[in-house]
Amino acid sequence: AQKITQTQPGMFVQEKEAVTLDCTYDTSDQSYGLFWYKQPSSGEMIFLIYQGSYDEQNATEGRYSLNFQKARKSANLVISASQLGDSAMYFCAMRDVETSGSRLTFGEGTQLTVNP
Amino acid sequence: DAGVIQSPRHEVTEMGQEVTLRCKPISGHNSLFWYRQTMMRGLELLIYFNNNVPIDDSGMPEDRFSAKMPNASFSTLKIQPSEPRDSAVYFCASTPGTRYHEQYFGPGTRLTVT
Repeated sequence: AQKITQTQPGMFVQEKEAVTLDCTYDTSDQSYGLFWYKQPSSGEMIFLIYQGSYDEQNATEGRYSLNFQKARKSANLVISASQLGDSAMYFCAMRDVETSGSRLTFGEGTQLTVNP
Repeated sequence: DAGVIQSPRHEVTEMGQEVTLRCKPISGHNSLFWYRQTMMRGLELLIYFNNNVPIDDSGMPEDRFSAKMPNASFSTLKIQPSEPRDSAVYFCASTPGTRYHEQYFGPGTRLTVT
């Protein structure tokens, strides 16, 4: 069963606008963590933001925020004021502690292109 | 901090040859992960270690793959014999033992088996 689903293979946004990248997950664990990583064309994996399942507030890190809707099992990434340097592949990942221990399960990714 | 270090960055080898990928985790991190990334299968966890002990190797494709972590500052992933389908980018990542939040990824090794 697919644990992490990213339904948008590609997204386009105009510079300075906000964009939402979708992520839904599936787990029966009560304790889990959700992560977003950015992979630019240079290939490195860059951690962006983390949300714990028991965190009551949505996580924010600078221009990144995570729209966590636990009942809907969604963890969408919102990038505000897009910049050209935001063009990259974005991966959503989950760590469900009880089932998988420390392993992360990644989605298939969304390729974001920021247009000038 | 130097971050996670991987070597080599690129490796081209012929089918049947032995390949050894190396990783140095961030100092003080005691969990280490090996991932493989391909277009077809995305990012897959191959194996991870906690305090140098392999915890979960269920992602290792087959017996041709082996991984070791002889000490807290070094790990290897070996493929013997290599096959063209092993061509991929191999990432190493580490995380502090007390904070299972983000995993810090190395730059990856791009392996091409001809």
